[in-house]
Amino acid sequence: SQTIHQWPATLVQPVGSPLSLECTVEGTSNPNLYWYRQAAGRGLQLLFYSVGIGQISSEVPQNLSASRPQDRQFILSSKKLLLSDSGFYLCAWTPRPLSGANVLTFGAGSRLTVL
Amino acid sequence: AQSVAQPEDQVNVAEGNPLTVKCTYSVSGNPYLFWYVQYPNRGLQFLLKYITGDNLVKGSYGFEAEFNKSQTSFHLKKPSALVSDSALYFCAVRQGGNYQLIWGAGTKLIIKP
Repeated sequence: SQTIHQWPATLVQPVGSPLSLECTVEGTSNPNLYWYRQAAGRGLQLLFYSVGIGQISSEVPQNLSASRPQDRQFILSSKKLLLSDSGFYLCAWTPRPLSGANVLTFGAGSRLTVL
Repeated sequence: AQSVAQPEDQVNVAEGNPLTVKCTYSVSGNPYLFWYVQYPNRGLQFLLKYITGDNLVKGSYGFEAEFNKSQTSFHLKKPSALVSDSALYFCAVRQGGNYQLIWGAGTKLIIKP
């Protein structure tokens, strides 16, 4: 069966420090991968998605970047964190091929607090 | 513009009573509709989806949703609420040819014993 892992689960970082959140998917090949941010425990904002290694699409220009160095690995990074980067970050995947009916499967999330 | 509305920020229901969480959408073309649930400090879990066919869709944990094309709605329902149903519920829609989901703002469901 497929599983998705995110780490770290919680992170407290000072303003201006770097960030690296990692997500890996097991039990499937060539997944579509997504990074979402959830602010204030509510609305979901799609940050990045990837349909393959090295292929990253950004939905919102911001202080963050994403990379996909391996087929089932998706990394969210920042060189210098801002206070506004605080939030709950969720990684998700859907199977190939892209389809309107695809169901997103989410990781457990990473809570980032920037102080 | 495509959009999803969850008009209720919070819904309070007594345990054992039926519950409804509302969702309306605005997309061009045929929509694919989804409900997800989020428990505190957890990722979202898929509940059910409507793609085509029967307007009444049954999903996990006894939930169901009815697709109403004329009212552009996809309300989530359960005949008898449990305290454990208390969570944040998200409606989402995907237009047929567009692979990105449009999310509602979420509805907090509180089931009181």
